[in-house]
Amino acid sequence: DTAVSQTPKYLVTQMGNDKSIKCEQNLGHDTMYWYKQDSKKFLKIMFSYNNKELIINETVPNRFSPKSPDKAHLNLHINSLELGDSAVYFCASSQASGYNEQFFGPGTRLTVL
Amino acid sequence: RKEVEQDPGPFNVPEGATVAFNCTYSNSASQSFFWYRQDCRKEPKLLMSVYSSGNEDGRFTAQLNRASQYISLLIRDSKLSDSATYLCVGLFGNEKLTFGTGTRLTIIP
Repeated sequence: DTAVSQTPKYLVTQMGNDKSIKCEQNLGHDTMYWYKQDSKKFLKIMFSYNNKELIINETVPNRFSPKSPDKAHLNLHINSLELGDSAVYFCASSQASGYNEQFFGPGTRLTVL
Repeated sequence: RKEVEQDPGPFNVPEGATVAFNCTYSNSASQSFFWYRQDCRKEPKLLMSVYSSGNEDGRFTAQLNRASQYISLLIRDSKLSDSATYLCVGLFGNEKLTFGTGTRLTIIP
């Protein structure tokens, strides 16, 4: 059974479109995250939710909106996609926030044309 | 200056050799550090936590030097399967993991 899963794995879309990426974890963890890894492989946190509540919101354009319907799911919706949004987006979860090990999903490779 | 800095490499090392990476951090208030490993086109996975007293896990040894603000990872008797990118990670403000850009290691047969 996959611990942290994301869909889709690949997403190719035109500039200006709106798209969503879904994430689910079956580990019973309280905290979930979204990270962006750019072409230089730099991994940077975007958002963190603890028990469906937003606890970290880095300087991310408001075109990006996370939604956590329950603590096992954290989806990412992106409006008006731009070329610079092309990256790999990783979802992760941990038992609690702080120094607990984070388990990452397989990533969603987004390409904006 | 980035909060966590690493030499990106690449490090090309013959099989069986010992290799060491360093990573420096700028925020002295950081509480915890980790090494994550990321294989090509895969997700990062925790390799080991780093403790001030130093810790060892098989062929891997991690050390933290708070006075000089750096952490290190030593890999002994390197295997082909050790080829990956090694990410130095710090926990700042008790909530947020900050990743270095990673050091790419290739073990050569």
